[in-house]
Amino acid sequence: KNEVEQSPQNLTAQEGEFITINCSYSVGISALHWLQQHPGGGIVSLFMLSSGKKKHGRLIATINIQEKHSSLHITASHPRDSAVYICAVSYNTDKLIFGTGTRLQVFP
Amino acid sequence: SQTIHQWPATLVQPVGSPLSLECTVEGTSNPNLYWYRQAAGRGLQLLFYSVGIGQISSEVPQNLSASRPQDRQFILSSKKLLLSDSGFYLCAWSATGSSYNSPLHFGNGTRLTVT
Repeated sequence: KNEVEQSPQNLTAQEGEFITINCSYSVGISALHWLQQHPGGGIVSLFMLSSGKKKHGRLIATINIQEKHSSLHITASHPRDSAVYICAVSYNTDKLIFGTGTRLQVFP
Repeated sequence: SQTIHQWPATLVQPVGSPLSLECTVEGTSNPNLYWYRQAAGRGLQLLFYSVGIGQISSEVPQNLSASRPQDRQFILSSKKLLLSDSGFYLCAWSATGSSYNSPLHFGNGTRLTVT
């Protein structure tokens, strides 16, 4: 069983919809990362957070330490948001534990 | 600004052949460097990480090895490739120090197919 669980595994949406991707982990962490993997394979770091909420453009990431849960929200989704979104956590080591990703497709 | 270069972008190699993937980082000093592999349909798996020249930590026993001959150069090698080595290999760096609380910056990846 993966220590980092993401849901859903696959997600389709119409352009303009509000999107939520969830990430749950099993034990206390030092930081949680949200990454975006484009269809070509390149990975971009979106957020790194250990508490509260962060916002960048149409992307919002939240984390609830007590519930061991994080969400990534995309407002006013666009076809260019289509990608795999990956959650990863660190436990005070140099090693990140990755979720298997959520594949998002946004249709015009 | 910092940049990371990884090459080649794609590679097709026969079983038993050697492998050398190179990654270089510009615009930062003493970065933490990582090699990850992503098998088809699976999550990212850490293969090696390095906190300094000549310092390599291996996460998964296998026929791969890594070296860091210079501060901003990280090389992934194999003497004899296996079919199971096929996958998408990503190099990444993070700032020195508390690497687990620093953002990761990824290269564009190398898609390796072993035939």
